[in-house]
Amino acid sequence: DTAVSQTPKYLVTQMGNDKSIKCEQNLGHDTMYWYKQDSKKFLKIMFSYNNKELIINETVPNRFSPKSPDKAHLNLHINSLELGDSAVYFCASSLETLHINEQFFGPGTRLTVL
Amino acid sequence: GENVEQHPSTLSVQEGDSAVIKCTYSDSASNYFPWYKQELGKRPQLIIDIRSNVGEKKDQRIAVTLNKTAKHFSLHITETQPEDSAVYFCAANHKGITGGGNKLTFGTGTQLKVEL
Repeated sequence: DTAVSQTPKYLVTQMGNDKSIKCEQNLGHDTMYWYKQDSKKFLKIMFSYNNKELIINETVPNRFSPKSPDKAHLNLHINSLELGDSAVYFCASSLETLHINEQFFGPGTRLTVL
Repeated sequence: GENVEQHPSTLSVQEGDSAVIKCTYSDSASNYFPWYKQELGKRPQLIIDIRSNVGEKKDQRIAVTLNKTAKHFSLHITETQPEDSAVYFCAANHKGITGGGNKLTFGTGTQLKVEL
């Protein structure tokens, strides 16, 4: 009965590879996000989608490409992985009606680039 | 863009004492201020939030105060317990850099340790 789920939980890969992380929410929310949390625990937004439309793209290298096939899913594809991409990536979702509301986070995907 | 500063970065208290974490923000248009708790290896989870139309909100041992004029807000935890040990993040909302959407900018986090 997980509200926001992500796969995989851990991802270890070599520099230069391409990888994807998947996210699904069953809360009926209309907005989904990707956050990056680095080794110092800084939590920074990368992308936001509302009803499958990209509405926030925060100076993220174009090696990162989000895709939202429907309102319940938001995937993140990363090309040509670099050492600096190592971090925990959190997906989140919320219901944005007239106001910004609570964001529910997924369990995170720990990406390690060797 | 929005800048959210959070202090202190680490806080150690004795069980039963109170803990206070403070944040400041820069965007006067911000109107939503959540606090998230993140235990080691877990996801951030909302513990309390406040909107700009109120100055204080309380939920059992947790309270948040907001001073819109000074652009600062604080988290207060009373009667701290060992299970309160975690990283706490404040956040404030504002528009994305392209002018669309409504996003949260998080503070840098406070590692709270409650000692027995």
